[in-house]
Amino acid sequence: AQTVTQSQPEMSVQEAETVTLSCTYDTSESNYYLFWYKQPPSRQMILVIRQEAYKQQNATENRFSVNFQKAAKSFSLKISDSQLGDTAMYFCAPSGAGSYQLTFGKGTKLSVIP
Amino acid sequence: NAGVTQTPKFQVLKTGQSMTLQCAQDMNHEYMSWYRQDPGMGLRLIHYSVGAGITDQGEVPNGYNVSRSTTEDFPLRLLSAAPSQTSVYFCASSKTGKSSTDTQYFGPGTRLTVL
Repeated sequence: AQTVTQSQPEMSVQEAETVTLSCTYDTSESNYYLFWYKQPPSRQMILVIRQEAYKQQNATENRFSVNFQKAAKSFSLKISDSQLGDTAMYFCAPSGAGSYQLTFGKGTKLSVIP
Repeated sequence: NAGVTQTPKFQVLKTGQSMTLQCAQDMNHEYMSWYRQDPGMGLRLIHYSVGAGITDQGEVPNGYNVSRSTTEDFPLRLLSAAPSQTSVYFCASSKTGKSSTDTQYFGPGTRLTVL
């Protein structure tokens, strides 16, 4: 079983600046994966980035990167060069390697200000 | 390739009415699932299926039924709608459902209001 805490209900960032969204989790799994999903106003859930817990190297996808601290059970998302299209809810979701379930946090609402 | 499709996009029901939310995928995915999203909450798993003829309960299954007669379709049935079922419902699919190998693809959601 997993629990997820996203401690920042809302955040804002100026266009072109960098912002970091926090996520802490707890899990009883020995092998697991961590995901960040984006939900823009269109409501569509879009995978942003994925991290395998047994890999020490932090995942990167273009302007999105994570800071994965396994011992601290922390999985933050950094968005560089923020764009207006990044305005969305962002959800952190751990999942056991053999699990069929994603456990979602309550989300952080990010607004990118022109 | 349409991905994951859901119908309807919006629905209003009265308490006690029944209805079926439709979900279909054209990616030949074995795994399909239903989540609900309530205000201020993340998505919570209702039911899932790892293949035709196989279904299982998720975190919040009460009040919902599912069946999986084909690989492509995974309908969600509300037998007697209650106001507590007012929510946005998402269908998702992936090749096997296992996080170690797959990424889940989500449909656009159905906003359901029960009066």
